[in-house]
Amino acid sequence: QVQLQESGPGLVKPSETLSLTCTVSGGSISNYYWSWIRQPAGKGLEWIGHVYTSGGTNYNPSLKSRVTMSIDTSKNQFSLNLSSVTAADTAVYYCARFYGAMTTYFDLWGRGTLVTVSP
Amino acid sequence: DIVMTQSPDSLAVSLGERATINCRSSQSVLYSSNNKNYLAWYQQKPGQPPKLLIYWASTRESGVPDRFSGSGSGTDFTLTISSLQAEDVAVYFCQQYYSTMYTFGQGTKLEIK
Repeated sequence: QVQLQESGPGLVKPSETLSLTCTVSGGSISNYYWSWIRQPAGKGLEWIGHVYTSGGTNYNPSLKSRVTMSIDTSKNQFSLNLSSVTAADTAVYYCARFYGAMTTYFDLWGRGTLVTVSP
Repeated sequence: DIVMTQSPDSLAVSLGERATINCRSSQSVLYSSNNKNYLAWYQQKPGQPPKLLIYWASTRESGVPDRFSGSGSGTDFTLTISSLQAEDVAVYFCQQYYSTMYTFGQGTKLEIK
């Protein structure tokens, strides 16, 4: 079955850029919307944004100035860049898929990767 | 943004008893053109990602036990577990997808009494 796996540095210094990649295995990345969602320890879920297989994007307005998402259909991967990070960006970052060819609910999630922002 | 507020923040229920979790949206998530409520429920166990339970407010995801049910419309929604099992201990989140600024409730922690 389709699986998602996040990868990237677990430690990022303040003011630097957080970069994560999500690899889609067991199925095609095409014709879906792919999201990044984060969760600080012991807290709730925050949608960061999504990217479509065409490369079109939609970002959370509160993060829009710092977020860039991209997709590489040849590698079945999509990526997140979050610039100028601070301690407030420390969280578990999940990649997730919107169900079907719509932006509705999330039917598939990666296991998540913890990113800590610290000097 | 549509703010999602869950109640209670935590809940302790005896095994075999009913558990009820509420979710209220700051504006209606009922889309009049198709009469669908744009609301989902997720279950998150410790150290795991969220798992989709319910979508369109009341449609159970494939493989989800039928003791889980969703109800409500407009701004007020409920997730009910009819007979609590030990494996249901988790944090539960609601999510609205009416707005393209997707938002979640703060979560409700469900424990065994």
